[in-house]
Amino acid sequence: AQSVTQPDIHITVSEGASLELRCNYSYGATPYLFWYVQSPGQGLQLLLKYFSGDTLVQGIKGFEAEFKRSQSSFNLRKPSVHWSDAAEYFCAVGRVSSNTGKLIFGQGTTLQVKP
Amino acid sequence: AAGVIQSPRHLIKEKRETATLKCYPIPRHDTVYWYQQGPGQDPQFLISFYEKMQSDKGSIPDRFSAQQFSDYHSELNMSSLELGDSALYFCASSLAAPNPNNEQFFGPGTRLTVL
Repeated sequence: AQSVTQPDIHITVSEGASLELRCNYSYGATPYLFWYVQSPGQGLQLLLKYFSGDTLVQGIKGFEAEFKRSQSSFNLRKPSVHWSDAAEYFCAVGRVSSNTGKLIFGQGTTLQVKP
Repeated sequence: AAGVIQSPRHLIKEKRETATLKCYPIPRHDTVYWYQQGPGQDPQFLISFYEKMQSDKGSIPDRFSAQQFSDYHSELNMSSLELGDSALYFCASSLAAPNPNNEQFFGPGTRLTVL
């Protein structure tokens, strides 16, 4: 069965520090991989996505993620966190070459930023 | 830029009542997805429509039904509401056929509380 695991439920970092949010997936086929951010009371906003090609993808707000097939991982990184980055982050997977666009989400990681 | 509109934003119902959630996709988007996010949970795919036809179905209870209308807006009808239906219901839309390659744009969600 397809699944996405985000091992860290809650992470706290200091403003200006680097950030890495972990995501592991279990999938029987080549996946499409996504990172979404959800601020309180808001909908999900796409940060970045990986379909193919370069395994290091750049997204909005200074985020990047690296796809590592051997580790079934798609970790999200940011070199310097800003207070406005405090939010919940979801990793998601979709199925390549399918006629369904449904996404399977991980449990989410709540990011808290200390001043 | 126009975004996905969901109404109402908040809804409070009693057990065994019915509820109707509405979703208005971004203009020219012809695919709509519904997700349910329980408290502290990840979004779970419910159902999707493409060109007014159901394209995929997830873990949607039989008490729920949905449809997409000729103007591409969609409604999620929920009957015999249970306490466990309390959740944030997201609608997302995308352009063209359901495929993870087509970015899903999420609405702000409807928060349903069942008392």
